[in-house]
Amino acid sequence: GAVVSQHPSRVICKSGTSVKIECRSLDFQATTMFWYRQFPKKSLMLMATSNEGSKATYEQGVEKDKFLINHASLTLSTLTVTSAHPEDSSFYICSASAGFTEAFFGQGTRLTVV
Amino acid sequence: SQELEQSPQSLIVQEGKNLTINCTSSKTLYGLYWYKQKYGEGLIFLMMLQKGGEEKSHEKITAKLDEKKQQSSLHITASQPSHAGIYLCGADGGGGGADGLTFGKGTHLIIQP
Repeated sequence: GAVVSQHPSRVICKSGTSVKIECRSLDFQATTMFWYRQFPKKSLMLMATSNEGSKATYEQGVEKDKFLINHASLTLSTLTVTSAHPEDSSFYICSASAGFTEAFFGQGTRLTVV
Repeated sequence: SQELEQSPQSLIVQEGKNLTINCTSSKTLYGLYWYKQKYGEGLIFLMMLQKGGEEKSHEKITAKLDEKKQQSSLHITASQPSHAGIYLCGADGGGGGADGLTFGKGTHLIIQP
């Protein structure tokens, strides 16, 4: 299958700082990328959908000013957690799709805010 | 909105035994995906089912989608320690995954030697 690389795999940051997570499709052009957050006992929750060159569509309850998503090219999307707080600590996973096909997942990023 | 209910939430199985995990949808399933996740790691794609009555197998894992396309099961035969992890079912809303997936809460599988 296609490869999606997510970086970093783990990050620890201080409260109040911002953290950027990258999601790259290595061998295909991802017209759509998805960002998920994993909550304990609630599995993965879709945060936002981004299409290359346009603004991301956020799910209800997700703060767009806090979770900035940029999909500047067909192979890269970034999620920036701004002014991170301990409650933002979680596991974030991206997936990438080349249109109406299966979406491929990255390895995930474990964010810890101290 | 579509909801997926997985059962059981957790499962402890002795090595070598068979097991089944179920995923029930509140709406008709267009695409049903099974993933495996090791804690804190990414998702490993197992299988995708689309047609009513469809069944797919890979090594010792078999997934089925019922005729009504509202329930799927994942069956593991002769379980091994490598099967341990969290199994997630995910469903697309009819757009082939273009609108993202909705996931169940997962089933935590533990294999006892």
